[in-house]
Amino acid sequence: GAVVSQHPSWVICKSGTSVKIECRSLDFQATTMFWYRQFPKQSLMLMATSNEGSKATYEQGVEKDKFLINHASLTLSTLTVTSAHPEDSSFYICSARVPSGRGDTQYFGPGTRLTVL
Amino acid sequence: GQQLNQSPQSMFIQEGEDVSMNCTSSSIFNTWLWYKQDPGEGPVLLIALYKAGELTSNGRLTAQFGITRKDSFLNISASIPSDVGIYFCAGRYTGTASKLTFGTGTRLQVTL
Repeated sequence: GAVVSQHPSWVICKSGTSVKIECRSLDFQATTMFWYRQFPKQSLMLMATSNEGSKATYEQGVEKDKFLINHASLTLSTLTVTSAHPEDSSFYICSARVPSGRGDTQYFGPGTRLTVL
Repeated sequence: GQQLNQSPQSMFIQEGEDVSMNCTSSSIFNTWLWYKQDPGEGPVLLIALYKAGELTSNGRLTAQFGITRKDSFLNISASIPSDVGIYFCAGRYTGTASKLTFGTGTRLQVTL
């Protein structure tokens, strides 16, 4: 299957600072990537859809000014959590859309654990 | 955001037993995907289904896309300890630009 990487795998930061998370498609080009957030023992919740060369589309309730998404190339999307607070602590996972003749699938990165002190 | 109903929520089984879990939705999907997630990792794609009634296998795993397009199930035969993890279904509605809606997850634990 397609390989998606994320960096860093974990990060600890102080409240009020900003954190950038990178999502890369390693062996294919991804025009569309997705950012999810997962709290402990819960399912994945879609935050936003990242489209190469255009603005991201955010899900209802997700602050676009707080979670900045940049998809500047076909292999890289970044999520910046601005002015992070303890309630932003979570597991952030990206995925890349992979079209096929039968339909789309999504391949996920390994996730980034963010802890805000 | 909306989530799919997935059951059971958790299950303890003995090694060698077969496992069955399912996912239901109030809306029609055009794609069903099944993922497995290990602790601290991202979900790994197991099986993708694109057509109502489709039955697809991947080793000991078999999944089906329900005829009504509102449900899907996943079977694991002859479970082994490495099957432990959380299994998620995910569906895509027609016309939602590839966005997925995830199920609530089934936590599987296998005892020797």
